[in-house]
Amino acid sequence: KQEVTQIPAALSVPEGENLVLNCSFTDSAIYNLQWFRQDPGKGLTSLLLIQSSQREQTSGRLNASLDKSSGRSTLYIAASQPGDSATYLCAVSLFSGGYNKLIFGAGTRLAVHP
Amino acid sequence: ETGVTQTPRHLVMGMTNKKSLKCEQHLGHNAMYWYKQSAKKPLELMFVYNFKEQTENNSVPSRFSPECPNSSHLFLHLHTLQPEDSALYLCASSQGQGALSYEQYFGPGTRLTVT
Repeated sequence: KQEVTQIPAALSVPEGENLVLNCSFTDSAIYNLQWFRQDPGKGLTSLLLIQSSQREQTSGRLNASLDKSSGRSTLYIAASQPGDSATYLCAVSLFSGGYNKLIFGAGTRLAVHP
Repeated sequence: ETGVTQTPRHLVMGMTNKKSLKCEQHLGHNAMYWYKQSAKKPLELMFVYNFKEQTENNSVPSRFSPECPNSSHLFLHLHTLQPEDSALYLCASSQGQGALSYEQYFGPGTRLTVT
């Protein structure tokens, strides 16, 4: 059974710091891995999607890496800003039972203070 | 309207009520999903529809009843819920399903409180 773990569960940093959020998964037979952002009480915003054949993806100050063999992904946030405060979710995509499904981690709650 | 929309955004209902959640996607996608997000638990997949056909219900109690009349609309009918069903219900859509990896796009969610 695929399990996704995110470390740390919560993080509080001063503005300007570079951050690394970690995601690990137990089964390497994934199709892709997505990082999402969720603001309190809101839906999910997709940040980056890494296909299983790729090693990393970049968007602005965000960079996500994927190491399928070791079952790990990291989300790197450069020069953090208060507007980055949110919960960051990692999800792996599996093909199981004839359909494609996402398995989510519990998230990392990030607070960036001025 | 663009993306994935959900109505209502907030809902309070008694345990004997019947209500429905609505989701609409404006992305031309063929697959739609219902997820449940409870406090301090990871998102859980409830239902998957591909080309209007249900392909997964993930052992969801029968008090939750999905309906997908076409590829753009998805409903979740609720009846005789329990307080533990209080959660954020999220709808998502993707281009397709099957042995391909499609990105899922999420709506803003409906915050449900069962009293």
